[in-house]
Amino acid sequence: DTGVSQNPRHKITKRGQNVTFRCDPISEHNRLYWYRQTLGQGPEFLTYFQNEAQLEKSRLLSDRFSAERPKGSFSTLEIQRTEQGDSAMYLCASRPTGATTEAFFGQGTRLTVV
Amino acid sequence: DAKTTQPNSMESNEEEPVHLPCNHSTISGTDYIHWYRQLPSQGPEYVIHGLTSNVNNRMASLAIAEDRKSSTLILHRATLRDAAVYYCILRDVGQGNLIFGKGTKLSVKP
Repeated sequence: DTGVSQNPRHKITKRGQNVTFRCDPISEHNRLYWYRQTLGQGPEFLTYFQNEAQLEKSRLLSDRFSAERPKGSFSTLEIQRTEQGDSAMYLCASRPTGATTEAFFGQGTRLTVV
Repeated sequence: DAKTTQPNSMESNEEEPVHLPCNHSTISGTDYIHWYRQLPSQGPEYVIHGLTSNVNNRMASLAIAEDRKSSTLILHRATLRDAAVYYCILRDVGQGNLIFGKGTKLSVKP
């Protein structure tokens, strides 16, 4: 297992277009997280899944954002009608269930909306 | 969510020890103290965590105050590769996610 994989690594899109990012977590990690990070800030929590169930969503996750994890394995994050303010690094992390287990992060997808 | 306070930035010389402080005066009895770091252009990576007792691993040591209202991450010999943003995070035993602050940007001088 090579860790958490995110694709694409970079995405440039025009304002108003839809984009979708994919995250492949470490096998058998049943928890999967999405974060957004802008320059100079720490990662901001967006949402997380326990297997295929989406257990928590941040207020940052507007109606234009949707995340899925259909079979409890990989996950997708879709942004509809992108805006310039959506430009950020989108990070995915996974970990096993457990009070103190560490989270493993992917390298992120950098989105630029022009 | 319980909050943490960290200095915005710190500097260290290579091969010297580094002590990165974190204040968490509102910590609850079930909050674990986690440290992650983020190297440039990378996702965050786990460093260490603890509850009450001091902890050591191959990367660092975590010293936790007796009242648990503060903690210190100790890098015993800083290397250039340790230049990163270090995040101190409290996570309740029943909580799923990690809430990041702005962290401390550590610079290491050769």
